[in-house]
Amino acid sequence: DQQVKQNSPSLSVQEGRISILNCDYTNSMFDYFLWYKKYPAEGPTFLISISSIKDKNEDGRFTVFLNKSAKHLSLHIVPSQPGDSAVYFCAAPTGNQFYFGTGTSLTVIP
Amino acid sequence: SQTIHQWPATLVQPVGSPLSLECTVEGTSNPNLYWYRQAAGRGLQLLFYSVGIGQISSEVPQNLSASRPQDRQFILSSKKLLLSDSGFYLCAWTPGDTEAFFGQGTRLTVV
Repeated sequence: DQQVKQNSPSLSVQEGRISILNCDYTNSMFDYFLWYKKYPAEGPTFLISISSIKDKNEDGRFTVFLNKSAKHLSLHIVPSQPGDSAVYFCAAPTGNQFYFGTGTSLTVIP
Repeated sequence: SQTIHQWPATLVQPVGSPLSLECTVEGTSNPNLYWYRQAAGRGLQLLFYSVGIGQISSEVPQNLSASRPQDRQFILSSKKLLLSDSGFYLCAWTPGDTEAFFGQGTRLTVV
């Protein structure tokens, strides 16, 4: 059962434009969400998180939005840079498990 | 600071051979430890997690097993590898339930 879903396996964006990566979840008990960035042959690294008491969290070029009623979150990268090209996973922890989405491969075109 | 080590980085093994991937954590005690596999179209699939020495929970029936012989050591094993065991394996630890830290991963190719 895929409790965290990323329906877009890939996304291509021009450098300087906005990248929007989407994530949906089914478990209304999730109260904390994270985004991870992963380069090939490396482990994922933490990018940004958001608590369910907020609907927005910003960190530099990265902003995560949470819509609890829609069970949807999105990661915005503005402006996108070629170094942002990677696979992005959204995740939701609960108890001893981290549920991950299937990932979205972002390509930023110079 | 806390660090996590995972090795080897790459491994090519013949079908039917055994497997042992090791993960160690430094700078913390009693971490929750995890083994994930990144599979195409399935994101990061949780294989095993451990909340303490000798305590292993299996999430997915696999040709794999895990052991935690020491507080900060987590080992992923197989007695006989299958072709389908090929993939990218990640060890992770969590200080609680708010973040996970990952090792560099192991690319396993079974030939």
